[in-house]
Amino acid sequence: GAVVSQHPSRVICKSGTSVKIECRSLDFQATTMFWYRQFPKKSLMLMATSNEGSKATYEQGVEKDKFLINHASLTLSTLTVTSAHPEDSSFYICSAQGAGNSPLHFGNGTRLTVT
Amino acid sequence: AQSVTQPDIHITVSEGASLELRCNYSYGATPYLFWYVQSPGQGLQLLLKYFSGDTLVQGIKGFEAEFKRSQSSFNLRKPSVHWSDAAEYFCAVGPLGGYQKVTFGIGTKLQVIP
Repeated sequence: GAVVSQHPSRVICKSGTSVKIECRSLDFQATTMFWYRQFPKKSLMLMATSNEGSKATYEQGVEKDKFLINHASLTLSTLTVTSAHPEDSSFYICSAQGAGNSPLHFGNGTRLTVT
Repeated sequence: AQSVTQPDIHITVSEGASLELRCNYSYGATPYLFWYVQSPGQGLQLLLKYFSGDTLVQGIKGFEAEFKRSQSSFNLRKPSVHWSDAAEYFCAVGPLGGYQKVTFGIGTKLQVIP
């Protein structure tokens, strides 16, 4: 089946630094990739949608200058949390979709802790 | 706006017992409905979906769900739970058009005791 690799699985960084999270589709071409944030005891919140080669579309309330998304190829999307603060600590999950109305395939998530 | 309610945040069942996880949705038209499972530290895996047709849908791992329009529900069931089913389960609703713009419920954490 389709596999999405998300890296790193855990990262701890100091407040004010930037962190990059990678999401790769290993055995299919991901036309569209999605980034979510999962709060404790809350559902997944869609942050942004990215299509290869174009700017990401951010959901309302998500700061695009803080959460930089790049989808430079059909197999890789990155999320960079810039100038991270403790309130950015969360579980971030990506998903990837191939061509057409195909199912989403999720990465294993990244636990970000900002100290 | 679409929304999903999973009234049970945490459920404990004995191994071998039957399971039903509740899901109610709010959506103005015919919804697409999904159940996903998330094991600890993992991403989400699609268990099953309802787009149209037969209201009883079969999924992977022996799960099934029934769409009841009159009750705005899409409850997930399994006749006999295995220890490996312990995970968090998310119901999701989306508009016609498929998988993308779905809204997830807050999840139900399933604990299985021997």
